[in-house]
Amino acid sequence: AQSVTQLDSQVPVFEEAPVELRCNYSSSVSVYLFWYVQYPNQGLQLLLKYLSGSTLVKGINGFEAEFNKSQTSFHLRKPSVHISDTAEYFCAVDGFGNEKLTFGTGTRLTIIP
Amino acid sequence: GAVVSQHPSWVICKSGTSVKIECRSLDFQATTMFWYRQFPKQSLMLMATSNEGSKATYEQGVEKDKFLINHASLTLSTLTVTSAHPEDSSFYICSAREGQGQETQYFGPGTRLLVL
Repeated sequence: AQSVTQLDSQVPVFEEAPVELRCNYSSSVSVYLFWYVQYPNQGLQLLLKYLSGSTLVKGINGFEAEFNKSQTSFHLRKPSVHISDTAEYFCAVDGFGNEKLTFGTGTRLTIIP
Repeated sequence: GAVVSQHPSWVICKSGTSVKIECRSLDFQATTMFWYRQFPKQSLMLMATSNEGSKATYEQGVEKDKFLINHASLTLSTLTVTSAHPEDSSFYICSAREGQGQETQYFGPGTRLLVL
């Protein structure tokens, strides 16, 4: 079984400030990890993914995430946010051999001008 | 690359009618497609997994006779909501994966269904 916990349902951040969106996972096997972004009334867009190798993963729009196996975390960060980053962010896990994504409940990032 | 489209983007129908939603992979062949349902302000819930040329695998609690899935080609999967009722109103999102061992799912833009 696998699960994903996104502790923060909403995160308000001032424009140009840094942000971290937290994601913790649970799995009995090794995992692939993903962050997706969803803009209002749209599907999901892949931000970044960790499959193997370097634990620091860089994605689109200036986002990055770090895989921490010991803490079973995959937190998403951006050093300076913009108004356009306002969206819902989903962390997802895919356990080896499972081939199905399990999503967290999402974090709504609101950028304050 | 890796573009997935859905049609229609939104649909309104009367209770008791059936609605078909198409999911297409535009620039790759998708051996596996997934159908999700998303309620307002909630996460995505996997409904079923479909592999090209075989029957879909439904998640627990999803009625296979109500949500008919067909994956007849490597670029097209369809979800038919049969005898739709207001409680079926939701945002339906499909995703596609290129092949076995391919880890990344690419998502369509979603279809909003409203059943009156």
